[in-house]
Amino acid sequence: AQKVTQAQTEISVVEKEDVTLDCVYETRDTTYYLFWYKQPPSGELVFLIRRNSFDEQNEISGRYSWNFQKSTSSFNFTITASQVVDSAVYFCALDYSGGGADGLTFGKGTHLIIQP
Amino acid sequence: DTEVTQTPKHLVMGMTNKKSLKCEQHMGHRAMYWYKQKAKKPPELMFVYSYEKLSINESVPSRFSPECPNSSLLNLHLHALQPEDSALYLCASSQSTPGKLFFGSGTQLSVL
Repeated sequence: AQKVTQAQTEISVVEKEDVTLDCVYETRDTTYYLFWYKQPPSGELVFLIRRNSFDEQNEISGRYSWNFQKSTSSFNFTITASQVVDSAVYFCALDYSGGGADGLTFGKGTHLIIQP
Repeated sequence: DTEVTQTPKHLVMGMTNKKSLKCEQHMGHRAMYWYKQKAKKPPELMFVYSYEKLSINESVPSRFSPECPNSSLLNLHLHALQPEDSALYLCASSQSTPGKLFFGSGTQLSVL
């Protein structure tokens, strides 16, 4: 069974602060994929990153960075110098390489509020 | 074209109505998905089509009937829905499995 836990239901920070969204996952598979999606108020889920289980390199994309640690089964997401446009619900998700089309297992999401 | 297009954006229907949700993608993706999302909840997988064949049905009630006429189109036929079926219905597609899912903006469904 797969499970994704996002313990932070809601985070509120003031603009320009750094913020980290936590994600902890459980899976019995040795090959799997982790994702982060952003869902702004408009409703569309926007892909941010995919990481496979064999690639533990941290990644930085502009103000976004991700820290993947297999030892703690965590895939945390940091926004540096947050902006109001970053306000959204962020979902961490897991998929395994089972050879079939299985869809994603989502965490419950973290509602990020960036105050001006 | 990196879009997944869903129509209609909003739908209000009575419990005796029959309606259909439509989803279209032209990215050549061979897997397409229907997700249901209630307010303040994560998306829940309903159906997956891989190469136009239904590969997963996550025990969804029969009042929801998916259809994949071709590799670019995905429909969700609705009949005799209940008020608790009111939700945002999201369509997604991916080139490979598992893969990066591209989501549409969804259909906000209200059942009266």
